[in-house]
Amino acid sequence: QQQVKQSPQSLIVQKGGISIINCAYENTAFDYFPWYQQFPGKGPALLIAIRPDVSEKKEGRFTISFNKSAKQFSLHIMDSQPGDSATYFCAASIDPSGSRLTFGEGTQLTVNP
Amino acid sequence: DAGVTQSPTHLIKTRGQQVTLRCSPISGHKSVSWYQQVLGQGPQFIFQYYEKEERGRGNFPDRFSARQFPNYSSELNVNALLLGDSALYLCASIRAPRSSPLHFGNGTRLTVT
Repeated sequence: QQQVKQSPQSLIVQKGGISIINCAYENTAFDYFPWYQQFPGKGPALLIAIRPDVSEKKEGRFTISFNKSAKQFSLHIMDSQPGDSATYFCAASIDPSGSRLTFGEGTQLTVNP
Repeated sequence: DAGVTQSPTHLIKTRGQQVTLRCSPISGHKSVSWYQQVLGQGPQFIFQYYEKEERGRGNFPDRFSARQFPNYSSELNVNALLLGDSALYLCASIRAPRSSPLHFGNGTRLTVT
């Protein structure tokens, strides 16, 4: 059962543009929502995470927007750079430690120079 | 501090064989989780261990087993390999349950022929 749905599957943006990736979840028991970035040949690396008691969290060029009533959350990458080209995964966890994550299927982001 | 280390990095096995994958967590981290990442998909949770005890198990057959040692390192064993077991196997560690974030290693790429 797919509990976290992610879109789009792939995304191409120009350097300096805004990249937006969306996720929707089904299980209302989820209470921790991280985003991971993965480069080829590497493991996923935590980018930014949010808990459902806030609607937005910003760290540098990365922002998570969270809509609890709609059971949706999104990642915005401002001023996208070629170095941001990677696969991005949203995830969710019931365990507040985030040690048992349910991942989305991933978005392959390409930022053209 | 060194990150999560996994060995081997690549492995080729034949159907029906058995495989053992190894993981060393970040120093000070006592909990280890295992994930399977099939090409083009998000990681799927297999096991979590804390203080040598299994704390969680995903929807995987009994052919998959794991253990954690007193030094908090861990092994994942897969018996009677199937072609569908071909994937990147990721190990992740956290200091303890209910602490975050989860740190991933770069994985072991298993190919079953």
